[in-house]
Amino acid sequence: NAGVTQTPKFQVLKTGQSMTLQCAQDMNHEYMSWYRQDPGMGLRLIHYSVGAGITDQGEVPNGYNVSRSTTEDFPLRLLSAAPSQTSVYFCASSRSEKAYTIYFGEGSWLTVV
Amino acid sequence: AQKVTQAQTEISVVEKEDVTLDCVYETRDTTYYLFWYKQPPSGELVFLIRRNSFDEQNEISGRYSWNFQKSTSSFNFTITASQVVDSAVYFCALRGNAGGTSYGKLTFGQGTILTVHP
Repeated sequence: NAGVTQTPKFQVLKTGQSMTLQCAQDMNHEYMSWYRQDPGMGLRLIHYSVGAGITDQGEVPNGYNVSRSTTEDFPLRLLSAAPSQTSVYFCASSRSEKAYTIYFGEGSWLTVV
Repeated sequence: AQKVTQAQTEISVVEKEDVTLDCVYETRDTTYYLFWYKQPPSGELVFLIRRNSFDEQNEISGRYSWNFQKSTSSFNFTITASQVVDSAVYFCALRGNAGGTSYGKLTFGQGTILTVHP
């Protein structure tokens, strides 16, 4: 997981609060993405980006916003947290070559009460 | 649409037993990439292997081996002589080749929880 840094690692939010999960990579990867992990469902794609200034929705985008102003950073924003957003969040990055491996950050554990 | 199925939710074995984790996938892409990741109790995702769809050679890495069979759309993972440290959640994942935007997107299976008892 070297090179993809997520903060914070743990966070408790109250319903309705907002917060930003930070993700940074120092490998000059073009592609970055956010996944959430829920029991029995594996990891599901929330949003992804193929480069600075370009983002798109994944499988479960509702309730989340992203932006990509630099190659290095890809923050995930929860505008009004809901208990259904209690999950483990993973940021990932990859080069734009199709045979390249996707690397993950260490995860962020978010609880919304 | 792509889909990955790991039918085994949980597997429990005793140390030194061999164990196989099943993975079946669906995709319309003619070229695609399959991955296995390990998630130990500490929570991070550890990359284990990437396999290209046009390369059906089986692979062995120490106690780990992977059997890729395109005819049955399966990419199974075997741990030989399992150890307690192998206890983790294992995910199979698929990345398509539908265009440049697919390169950073993975479709995951539900995961298999492997517990190795001493």
